[in-house]
Amino acid sequence: DIVMTQSPDSLAVSLGGRATINCRSSQSVLFSSDNKNYLGWYQQKPGQPPKLLIYSASTRESGVPDRFSGSGSGTDFTLTISGLQAEDVAVYYCQQYYSAPWTFGQGTNVEIK
Amino acid sequence: QLQQSGPRLLKPSQTLSLTCAISGDSVSSNAWNWIRQSPSRGLEWLGRTYYKSKWYYNYAGSVKSRITINPDTSKNQFSLQLNSVTPDDTAVYYCARGVILTGLDCWGQGTLVTVSS
Repeated sequence: DIVMTQSPDSLAVSLGGRATINCRSSQSVLFSSDNKNYLGWYQQKPGQPPKLLIYSASTRESGVPDRFSGSGSGTDFTLTISGLQAEDVAVYYCQQYYSAPWTFGQGTNVEIK
Repeated sequence: QLQQSGPRLLKPSQTLSLTCAISGDSVSSNAWNWIRQSPSRGLEWLGRTYYKSKWYYNYAGSVKSRITINPDTSKNQFSLQLNSVTPDDTAVYYCARGVILTGLDCWGQGTLVTVSS
């Protein structure tokens, strides 16, 4: 199984500041035939299911604000929230869908400083 | 849109059964997944089914001996069965659509299932 490890576990950022979340996979999730990373980022607020923010490591899902951006390739990935808003307080997860079983990181809790 | 239904309270050794009704898509398109979430396990993908000339099934090793996911084309829904539950199976269970290249782009509302004697 591919193990997904996120850092940090928790992050406090000032309103308007930048939040950076890292995710590392135990093996590459880059599919050579299409040169795409099978890596997604999700946001989860209390009492709600996770919501897809980013897929293919860097493509924003429709309707997701452009302050959310994803980067990285192979085994190392980053989710950046530029200009943190109060409504961005949530837990963020990375997930690989390169090979079954699909696996998630342990989550990063983002709060306001 | 995905709408979940099923019992929320079970006793140990019983069978967990949940259904996920699909609207706006077909169970014969894309992949249909079950995921659970608990404080001890975090988000855990349980398995999926998808149709590509025939039905395919993938299951997580942790539940492979106890799990069945079934599509129902007549009702456009899919189901989860988990046999011989224990308190360790207590979790919020989600159904979700999986799309190639996109990941899990649509989720059900979640069902808290509690296993207790």
